[in-house]
Amino acid sequence: GAVVSQHPSRVICKSGTSVKIECRSLDFQATTMFWYRQFPKQSLMLMATSNEGSKATYEQGVEKDKFLINHASLTLSTLTVTSAHPEDSSFYICSAGSHRDGYTFGSGTRLTVV
Amino acid sequence: RKEVEQDPGPFNVPEGATVAFNCTYSNSASQSFFWYRQDCRKEPKLLMSVYSSGNEDGRFTAQLNRASQYISLLIRDSKLSDSATYLCVVSRSGYALNFGKGTSLLVTP
Repeated sequence: GAVVSQHPSRVICKSGTSVKIECRSLDFQATTMFWYRQFPKQSLMLMATSNEGSKATYEQGVEKDKFLINHASLTLSTLTVTSAHPEDSSFYICSAGSHRDGYTFGSGTRLTVV
Repeated sequence: RKEVEQDPGPFNVPEGATVAFNCTYSNSASQSFFWYRQDCRKEPKLLMSVYSSGNEDGRFTAQLNRASQYISLLIRDSKLSDSATYLCVVSRSGYALNFGKGTSLLVTP
């Protein structure tokens, strides 16, 4: 089945710094990848849709200048949390796949901003 | 109204019990349907797709009623390892997945 690799799995950073999270499709090409965020005991919330070769589409309430998405190749999308603050601490997960076959998720990145 | 609604539970059942989860969706244009399983502090993992004809995978049976916009998951002979949150997911081409909030299952010895 499709494999999606996400790194890092865990990161602790200081408030005000930026963190980059990578999402790779290992055995298939993904023109579209999705970025989600999940707070404790909450459901997954879609942040943005990453489109290869074009600008990402952000959900309402998600700041595009704070959460920078780059999808420069068919196998890699990156999410950069800029000037991170403690309230950005969350579980960030990417996914890729197709609506027919289902979507595979990366293993997630647990971000803690101190 | 959320696009995908699930009973959040929790469902506490003894080992060996049969448990059923229900899910409804509001967008009649939805094309594909899935059940995902999410363990605590882990990413969701695809459990099974759901087809109109109903489908079974071992102890798991999924059913879809498009007319009622209703999806179900039946787990027979529950195991301790089945304890997790079960996410009902719907999708359509060109759109991201829509998740229910999940139903929490705890199987006890």
